[in-house]
Amino acid sequence: SAVISQKPSRDICQRGTSLTIQCQVDSQVTMMFWYRQQPGQSLTLIATANQGSEATYESGFVIDKFPISRPNLTFSTLTVSNMSPEDSSIYLCSVDGLSNTGELFFGEGSRLTVL
Amino acid sequence: AQSVTQLGSHVSVSEGALVLLRCNYSSSVPPYLFWYVQYPNQGLQLLLKYTTGATLVKGINGFEAEFKKSETSFHLTKPSAHMSDAAEYFCAVSEFSGGYNKLIFGAGTRLAVHP
Repeated sequence: SAVISQKPSRDICQRGTSLTIQCQVDSQVTMMFWYRQQPGQSLTLIATANQGSEATYESGFVIDKFPISRPNLTFSTLTVSNMSPEDSSIYLCSVDGLSNTGELFFGEGSRLTVL
Repeated sequence: AQSVTQLGSHVSVSEGALVLLRCNYSSSVPPYLFWYVQYPNQGLQLLLKYTTGATLVKGINGFEAEFKKSETSFHLTKPSAHMSDAAEYFCAVSEFSGGYNKLIFGAGTRLAVHP
């Protein structure tokens, strides 16, 4: 299994600002997935990031709000732009488990609180 | 699109009692199914998965789940609950879209274990 590190683990942000979350994996992976977990709710897929191509966003999520970078096979960033209190969530980075079944390994998440 | 329904957002059991967490899925093709656990302030950890073969799958920490195609169910069980099992549990189904598998999560079930 892959070891996934996310930074920051938590942050308190002001309305209107932007924050970039980093995700580092200890091995090369093709697919990286960014999920959002709003308070008391389940996980919702934001986008899928492949190295060398534009991220693919799910319905309801747009690149202007959640720009994603994937510069190499071990690293990705997710930016939450122009934040509002509704963006207060846990943001989770995950990677494909390479079993071709959809199995994912998760980082410990980045807990954002927007005031 | 695939969907996952977890019956019961909160389940409470006594220590030593049977744990049963329910999960039903919608899928027109044989799915890949997963159970993940999330401890407080942590990411998600894979408990077990069904891909092919034996319909009763065993996972970590004494948990097991049975895939029942006729009932479109994948319920999670543990014969004897332990205090350390208190956590949030998520059922997930894989969906093949855009050339790869991605996970669709249920709403989650919070398990409380009392003495």
